[in-house]
Amino acid sequence: DAKTTQPPSMDCAEGRAANLPCNHSTISGNEYVYWYRQIHSQGPQYIIHGLKNNETNEMASLIITEDRKSSTLILPHATLRDTAVYYCIALPYNFNKFYFGSGTKLNVKP
Amino acid sequence: KAGVTQTPRYLIKTRGQQVTLSCSPISGHRSVSWYQQTPGQGLQFLFEYFSETQRNKGNFPGRFSGRQFSNSRSEMNVSTLELGDSALYLCASSSGKVSDYGYTFGSGTRLTVV
Repeated sequence: DAKTTQPPSMDCAEGRAANLPCNHSTISGNEYVYWYRQIHSQGPQYIIHGLKNNETNEMASLIITEDRKSSTLILPHATLRDTAVYYCIALPYNFNKFYFGSGTKLNVKP
Repeated sequence: KAGVTQTPRYLIKTRGQQVTLSCSPISGHRSVSWYQQTPGQGLQFLFEYFSETQRNKGNFPGRFSGRQFSNSRSEMNVSTLELGDSALYLCASSSGKVSDYGYTFGSGTRLTVV
């Protein structure tokens, strides 16, 4: 059951790209990398997920290293509304015993 | 489509009482999970139900229990409330397939124990 490690906080200037790293060195082959974010006191919101390949959607891009031991979430043009706690989790196929971690508090500044 | 609905949104209870929280998952989702979130402990997994069966359980005392009905709606119950049970309780539903967008969370129930 892979645990993830993220920096506790990061700053980003509004309009710039925010690159949030995540280490999941013990991830197994059947665990997907998922990213969620939580804006103060709301439920976590799904952002993106991937298994091996890089992924992109309307919100963000996910870059997974070839050895799958780490990944980076990219918000291409951060806005003030992107200020939130971002969680990276390794989600096993049976959803069993995964670990949310402390996340990264992203502060987007004007 | 409608999201995950949790009721009530806010609740104040007295120490020693019991409380029941409700969660209606997204239509078609058969898996429902519950989480407790506190400032000190972050998001902690309580339990997960799939097709009315508890499939996974976190490290919480027996005062925390749950159930899932045949329509996938779920309830969690906390008996003999303690001050430390004050938290945001989040429910999340999923289709059960890890490749299928993982979890969708509700807005939570804010429980305050006084």
